[in-house]
Amino acid sequence: EADIYQTPRYLVIGTGKKITLECSQTMGHDKMYWYQQDPGMELHLIHYSYGVNSTEKGDLSSESTVSRIRTEHFPLTLESARPSHTSQYLCASRNMEASDGYTFGSGTRLTVV
Amino acid sequence: QKEVEQNSGPLSVPEGAIASLNCTYSDRGSQSFFWYRQYSGKSPELIMSIYSNGDKEDGRFTAQLNKASQYVSLLIRDSQPSDSATYLCAVKPSSYKLIFGSGTRLLVRP
Repeated sequence: EADIYQTPRYLVIGTGKKITLECSQTMGHDKMYWYQQDPGMELHLIHYSYGVNSTEKGDLSSESTVSRIRTEHFPLTLESARPSHTSQYLCASRNMEASDGYTFGSGTRLTVV
Repeated sequence: QKEVEQNSGPLSVPEGAIASLNCTYSDRGSQSFFWYRQYSGKSPELIMSIYSNGDKEDGRFTAQLNKASQYVSLLIRDSQPSDSATYLCAVKPSSYKLIFGSGTRLLVRP
């Protein structure tokens, strides 16, 4: 049973619109991550956070931004959506001290038309 | 050279056979290793973690780690069609981030 939640599950939106993808976790995890993944392709890290008020850009350049005002919440925002942003966006979290792997949310499949 | 390398496959095995998935990594300081299963259109699901050299068994899954050779493998015994998925190897080097391989697609033929 997932303890990390992403909404919406699917989103179709027009070019130029501002969108926010929500990610929340109830596990008290310090570290949270956003990945972008095209169908059949590898995961690309676009943003991560080690705690409240901490955000960093990932390995893949992205036009999105993130915020971490509360431990449990890590939203991703696109100010002006473009067709090139069409992809699946996956949120993940893990504990600071544990050696466990990431727990992933169910993802948001974004289509920009 | 990628930090975590996997053969993209597809690896095709008959139902009931052993599927062997391999992964190599470049950072000798890596301490934690993970295998994720990802069904098409779904998010990755953690199935195994291993931290010490040797084998770790969990049901039909066995993870094997050899730090000297810098490889980690996943064996799936009695493979089932429901095991057909992409398997992602992930390695935790000295940084806080997991590094994912590009995945191996497994196809189990009925």
